[in-house]
Amino acid sequence: DAGITQSPRYKITETGRQVTLMCHQTWSHSYMFWYRQDLGHGLRLIYYSAAADITDKGEVPDGYVVSRSKTENFPLTLESATRSQTSVYFCASTRDTYNEQFFGPGTRLTVL
Amino acid sequence: AQSVTQPDIHITVSEGASLELRCNYSYGATPYLFWYVQSPGQGLQLLLKYFSGDTLVQGIKGFEAEFKRSQSSFNLRKPSVHWSDAAEYFCAVGGVGGSYIPTFGRGTSLIVHP
Repeated sequence: DAGITQSPRYKITETGRQVTLMCHQTWSHSYMFWYRQDLGHGLRLIYYSAAADITDKGEVPDGYVVSRSKTENFPLTLESATRSQTSVYFCASTRDTYNEQFFGPGTRLTVL
Repeated sequence: AQSVTQPDIHITVSEGASLELRCNYSYGATPYLFWYVQSPGQGLQLLLKYFSGDTLVQGIKGFEAEFKRSQSSFNLRKPSVHWSDAAEYFCAVGGVGGSYIPTFGRGTSLIVHP
């Protein structure tokens, strides 16, 4: 189906484990983003990407790694999960500077 | 750097009542302005956007927003709220300085009483 998808939708992991959250979009949008959403903090930008093989840090990048080998995929990896990374993670994409972002359904991650 | 302020963290209205959610931004020029809605357990969905032209913008689900340059505001309105409008609403500013990274407000949670 067309659109932007995230997997898994729910994930429970333990402190210290590596976790990868997947994001896939079918529009060939150049720009992609990862946000985390926490109560009282709104949306915070983790990483973003302007094109394949071009990524950059956002507001809260520590503890996260991204890659973008293909335009349509933008995985987010927590190299060694911590409890403070318990959150809801949203992936988004946009065609260009002047247009709205399209958001995925989110991944609810719990780190025990 | 630009900022977006949504002064109301929570707003409670009765079903059928009118609604206005406030949004103010700080930027010298007119940015691109957006309102998104987030229903529980879902991602954000665009309600409407303003780039230029008519300052009253119509969106989906019966929402509208008015851009007021003199007040640096982009308030969201709906004449009659339905219970299904209960959600989180985010105002966002984009395109500042050519950047493709938008700035989001903290959000306003709308509670609708029957």
